Amino acid sequence: EPEVTQTPSHQVTQMGQEVILRCVPISNHLYFYWYRQILGQKVEFLVSFYNNEISEKSEIFDDQFSVERPDGSNFTLKIRSTKLEDSAMYFCAIGLAADTQYFGPGTRLTVL
Amino acid sequence: DAKTTQPPSMDCAEGRAANLPCNHSTISGNEYVYWYRQIHSQGPQYIIHGLKNNETNEMASLIITEDRKSSTLILPHATLRDTAVYYCIVVRGSSGDKLTFGTGTRLAVRP
Repeated sequence: EPEVTQTPSHQVTQMGQEVILRCVPISNHLYFYWYRQILGQKVEFLVSFYNNEISEKSEIFDDQFSVERPDGSNFTLKIRSTKLEDSAMYFCAIGLAADTQYFGPGTRLTVL
Repeated sequence: DAKTTQPPSMDCAEGRAANLPCNHSTISGNEYVYWYRQIHSQGPQYIIHGLKNNETNEMASLIITEDRKSSTLILPHATLRDTAVYYCIVVRGSSGDKLTFGTGTRLAVRP
């Protein structure tokens, strides 16, 4: 099973601040995804990324969110100006083909 | 993607088989059935997937009915570590598609 790490494991930030969540796949993969899970709720799709561009995004993924692969290995999710309702677990997932996605352990984001 | 229906909760005794059902009556011919689980607040973990044939791997078996309208995930010898929320997800057969998680089945394995 492909390994995915995420940093930080827990991020606490003030409302209005920018945060960057990082995902580091151990091996080469083609597809990258971000999901989030608000406490007690479903896992929700945010965005998928393929060939260095966004292939699909949800309604949640508004102008405050952005993704990139700055150095060809890390995959980052940036929230420009955090809101209280952004508090959630954020999961990165990677895929090689055929829709099997492998998830990282997540980053718990707490916005105060 | 086709919608799935799962019971909200189930339990089974440790060492016994856990059979988790899923209905996906509107599944299309090119859609796969995927199973993931989430242990506490960890990242979802891939278990198994199939198109129309039954599948088995080191974690579980997947039985898909002939009409493909329902499936059953079987954990042959459940352990306490299998306590988790199990998600049945139908996905188109093309790479890069998002996963749409429902509320899943909360499986409790009792000692």
